[in-house]
Amino acid sequence: DTAVSQTPKYLVTQMGNDKSIKCEQNLGHDTMYWYKQDSKKFLKIMFSYNNKELIINETVPNRFSPKSPDKAHLNLHINSLELGDSAVYFCASSQDADQPQHFGDGTRLSIL
Amino acid sequence: GEDVEQSLFLSVREGDSSVINCTYTDSSSTYLYWYKQEPGAGLQLLTYIFSNMDMKQDQRLTVLLNKKDKHLSLRIADTQTGDSAIYFCADYNAGNNRKLIWGLGTSLAVNP
Repeated sequence: DTAVSQTPKYLVTQMGNDKSIKCEQNLGHDTMYWYKQDSKKFLKIMFSYNNKELIINETVPNRFSPKSPDKAHLNLHINSLELGDSAVYFCASSQDADQPQHFGDGTRLSIL
Repeated sequence: GEDVEQSLFLSVREGDSSVINCTYTDSSSTYLYWYKQEPGAGLQLLTYIFSNMDMKQDQRLTVLLNKKDKHLSLRIADTQTGDSAIYFCADYNAGNNRKLIWGLGTSLAVNP
């Protein structure tokens, strides 16, 4: 019954590795987002897709690549992980950009 | 760019009212949101207010909007220990590249 689900919940990996985080929403929303929350709880938008089309692409290293195979899924692939990538990554969805966003529980990424 | 500011910490006694304040710079906000984040969890939408409203009440929550001063507040009546969390204020204006502008969050501690 989970509205926005992301996997994995925890991800511990070594510097230099490549990893992916998956997100799925069953709310029928058209817009999906990736956020990064740092250790100080500051929330930063990374990407947003509307109906599989990229609409927000903030200043994010190009090691981060989002992919939306359909409007219910938005995955995040990260190449060559760095220590500074350690954070909690949240997926969210909304019916449209001005509508309330619904968040997943987050993926806690730790880089060793 | 536009900005949203909140005080970082608030401490109240159980049973008292809590008032969390937020100021924003955007003159063309459409919606203003309050989200709650409990430890280790994702963000949960608490309530939101359309910019042509002054007040919205929902059970123990009261949102007040002063557009002239660009000030938004969230009042929690009869605060309980379960209300301990981080509260984020966010502002939406379609002119901001269709993204929310987030405050840094106010950490509410409820003392028994």
